[in-house]
Amino acid sequence: GQQLNQSPQSMFIQEGEDVSMNCTSSSIFNTWLWYKQEPGEGPVLLIALYKAGELTSNGRLTAQFGITRKDSFLNISASIPSDVGIYFCAGQRGGSNYKLTFGKGTLLTVNP
Amino acid sequence: NAGVTQTPKFRILKIGQSMTLQCAQDMNHNYMYWYRQDPGMGLKLIYYSVGAGITDKGEVPNGYNVSRSTTEDFPLRLELAAPSQTSVYFCASSYEGQGISPLHFGNGTRLTVT
Repeated sequence: GQQLNQSPQSMFIQEGEDVSMNCTSSSIFNTWLWYKQEPGEGPVLLIALYKAGELTSNGRLTAQFGITRKDSFLNISASIPSDVGIYFCAGQRGGSNYKLTFGKGTLLTVNP
Repeated sequence: NAGVTQTPKFRILKIGQSMTLQCAQDMNHNYMYWYRQDPGMGLKLIYYSVGAGITDKGEVPNGYNVSRSTTEDFPLRLELAAPSQTSVYFCASSYEGQGISPLHFGNGTRLTVT
């Protein structure tokens, strides 16, 4: 099946630092999504990207849809303790409207 | 609105037992999904439904069954529980397909099969 390679697997950073994570695939995707999951809860959508090259922000979060349509990046600026969680990328290919492929997640820990 | 509600939150089953994981949404969403999440493995789609009376297999359907008799409810049935089904199960819904509308997830059911 399709695979998304998400990296890094985990990050341990100091409060105030910037964070970058990315997802890559050998397949082209039409949509890239970034979700955050906090302990004991389901994932929550952070940012949705629908066009190659698109750069979208949500507060301190910025995500980009790679120009090749095979990758996406998420940046978090000036991290705070409540940024802790698992961040998932997800991609959707054309013609598979019901099925997302999820990355394995990036576990982010922020040290106050 | 409650959003997506899953019950129970936790369950321990013995091998061979059966159970139903309940999922209900009050957002009038047509699309509903069941995912399982294993540590370090992301989310895998088990089954999905595009409307009442319509269900289809996802990526990992073996050992599970679903039904969708109403728009609101999408229960997941395990008939003969196996240790490989130990996981956290998430139900989700969306207004349109996953690539168009955001998924709304429940808070999960943590299932252990021993």
